[in-house]
Amino acid sequence: QVQLQQWGAGLLKPSETLSLTCAVYGGSFSGYYWTWIRQPPGKGLEWAGEINDSGSTNYNPSLKSRVTISVDTSKNQFSLKLTSVTAADTAVYYCARGRMVRGVLGHYYYYMDVWGKGTTVTVSS
Amino acid sequence: DIVMTQSPDSLAVSLGERATINCKSSQSVLYSSNNKNYLAWYQQKPGQPPKLLIYWASIRESGVPDRFSGSGSGTDFSLTISSLQAEDVAVYYCQQYYSAPCSFGQGTKLEIK
Repeated sequence: QVQLQQWGAGLLKPSETLSLTCAVYGGSFSGYYWTWIRQPPGKGLEWAGEINDSGSTNYNPSLKSRVTISVDTSKNQFSLKLTSVTAADTAVYYCARGRMVRGVLGHYYYYMDVWGKGTTVTVSS
Repeated sequence: DIVMTQSPDSLAVSLGERATINCKSSQSVLYSSNNKNYLAWYQQKPGQPPKLLIYWASIRESGVPDRFSGSGSGTDFSLTISSLQAEDVAVYYCQQYYSAPCSFGQGTKLEIK
């Protein structure tokens, strides 16, 4: 049974850097996408970005200049960094595994089949 | 980018009755080469992460009760709970994975009447 365990600082001041890590237990790291999804208080789900097991990344354009996702395959971990945070970045951040499927033009897409429990991040002065 | 719109925003159904949630995509998520709809449904209970219920628009994830079913094709989809149980109270989201970036509907809150 694959489990995702995530951790990181939950209270930040404006302009600081959000840093979260997600560890994968009980399953293979390769052959999947690894993603970060966030959910502002009382709102819906927003995809933040992804990384695959070879380190290729894609980011939500609304965050692109501030976000970095990295992977440490030796530890089966991946991480999210978001710089210059503001109150608008206050949210629950989830890590999730993306089950890959082949789609249009031979590209790979995914849906999320395993989720971490979430980390509440609050940005406040 | 594909925009996903769910209806209604909230729904109250009596225990044992049928509940239906709709999801519409701004463009087709049906890939003609394999005739598959790149559409998933998730259930999120309060204080919990989302849980995958359905993928390929109609395939139940392992362990999901068979009272949950998905249907539709192209741009119009539905999630149906055939006989509502108390534990089904949750917010339900659809998600397209036809094109990047993936996108979610705004969510439908399901309650007991």
